[in-house]
Amino acid sequence: GDSVTQMEGPVTLSEEAFLTINCTYTATGYPSLFWYVQYPGEGLQLLLKATKADDKGSNKGFEATYRKETTSFHLEKGSVQVSDSAVYFCALSSSQAGTALIFGKGTTLSVSS
Amino acid sequence: DTAVSQTPKYLVTQMGNDKSIKCEQNLGHDTMYWYKQDSKKFLKIMFSYNNKELIINETVPNRFSPKSPDKAHLNLHINSLELGDSAVYFCASTQGTGGLRETQYFGPGTRLLVL
Repeated sequence: GDSVTQMEGPVTLSEEAFLTINCTYTATGYPSLFWYVQYPGEGLQLLLKATKADDKGSNKGFEATYRKETTSFHLEKGSVQVSDSAVYFCALSSSQAGTALIFGKGTTLSVSS
Repeated sequence: DTAVSQTPKYLVTQMGNDKSIKCEQNLGHDTMYWYKQDSKKFLKIMFSYNNKELIINETVPNRFSPKSPDKAHLNLHINSLELGDSAVYFCASTQGTGGLRETQYFGPGTRLLVL
């Protein structure tokens, strides 16, 4: 079945460092891909999404490109801030999943000043 | 102006009790969902309803019963609570039927602890 694999965390960075969180997927057909963020004690918020191959989603300095050839959707940010500390979830939506999202296991990011 | 709200935010209870979690969305969305997040932060779909009709029912114990009195509300009732039910439960909604491109909007979560 469809699945999402994320790099294991936690990821610990200093402020202004470059961030990459890897995400790869397995899906039949052409899924849509999402990154959600969960700040401490809060629910999930959509960070960005891409709905077809080669699309780039971007928001708040974060970017991810839908790469069908490598089945990947890696999250990047050029310069992280302390306020970016959170758990990041890669997810997909596919015809096989029906209406639900299939999530990766989440990657915890901790940024120190 | 909370879009998706859940009550209660925290729930501590004893094994064997019955409890309910409520979810309401004021976005006018047609589809609502329940997800379970375990202690390792892994999120998995439990149920979804479209216009009060059940459309996803994953393999969860039948002690869990969703109820949708109208399309703005999706409640989760849990009978005979067990230690393993301890988790964070998230409600979510989508505007349409949750097609491939639709964004899901999540509530703040209900943290359930079973003692």
